[in-house]
Amino acid sequence: AQSVTQPDIHITVSEGASLELRCNYSYGATPYLFWYVQSPGQGLQLLLKYFSGDTLVQGIKGFEAEFKRSQSSFNLRKPSVHWSDAAEYFCAVGAREYGNKLVFGAGTILRVKS
Amino acid sequence: NAGVTQTPKFQVLKTGQSMTLQCAQDMNHNSMYWYRQDPGMGLRLIYYSASEGTTDKGEVPNGYNVSRLNKREFSLRLESAAPSQTSVYFCASRVPGQHYFGPGTRLLVL
Repeated sequence: AQSVTQPDIHITVSEGASLELRCNYSYGATPYLFWYVQSPGQGLQLLLKYFSGDTLVQGIKGFEAEFKRSQSSFNLRKPSVHWSDAAEYFCAVGAREYGNKLVFGAGTILRVKS
Repeated sequence: NAGVTQTPKFQVLKTGQSMTLQCAQDMNHNSMYWYRQDPGMGLRLIYYSASEGTTDKGEVPNGYNVSRLNKREFSLRLESAAPSQTSVYFCASRVPGQHYFGPGTRLLVL
């Protein structure tokens, strides 16, 4: 079965510090991968996506993610966190072989300390 | 171009009542999806429609039915609501490479 694991339920970082959110997946097909962000009471906003090619992808708001096939990981990073980055972050995986349905991780809530 | 719209934004039901959540997209997308979001569980797929006239079950379809009324609209129906269906419901449509999500419907079943 396809699954996505985000090991950290909550993460707290200081403003200006670097950030890495972890995502591991288990998938029986060549996956494509996404990171979404959700502010409280809001919908989902796409941060970045990986389909193929360069394994380091750049997204909006200064985020980047690296696909590591050997580790089945797609970790999200930001070099310097801003207070406005406080939100919940979701990793998601899909594949054409599975009807392009997305499987989501449970989410990581990011708190930013000033 | 409104993207994906959902109505209502918020609804309170009593156990056993029925209701339909509406979703529409104006981007001419073939594929549409219904997800529910619960704390600590991410989003889980309820039903999806790969194209007009087709629907398929997702991970958590029990207690729900769907209708793909036309290419634009994909509704989700709760025939007899249960407290376990208290959740935030998101509709999405898809083109190759990207899903577009609606703003969500918050449903509380008492």
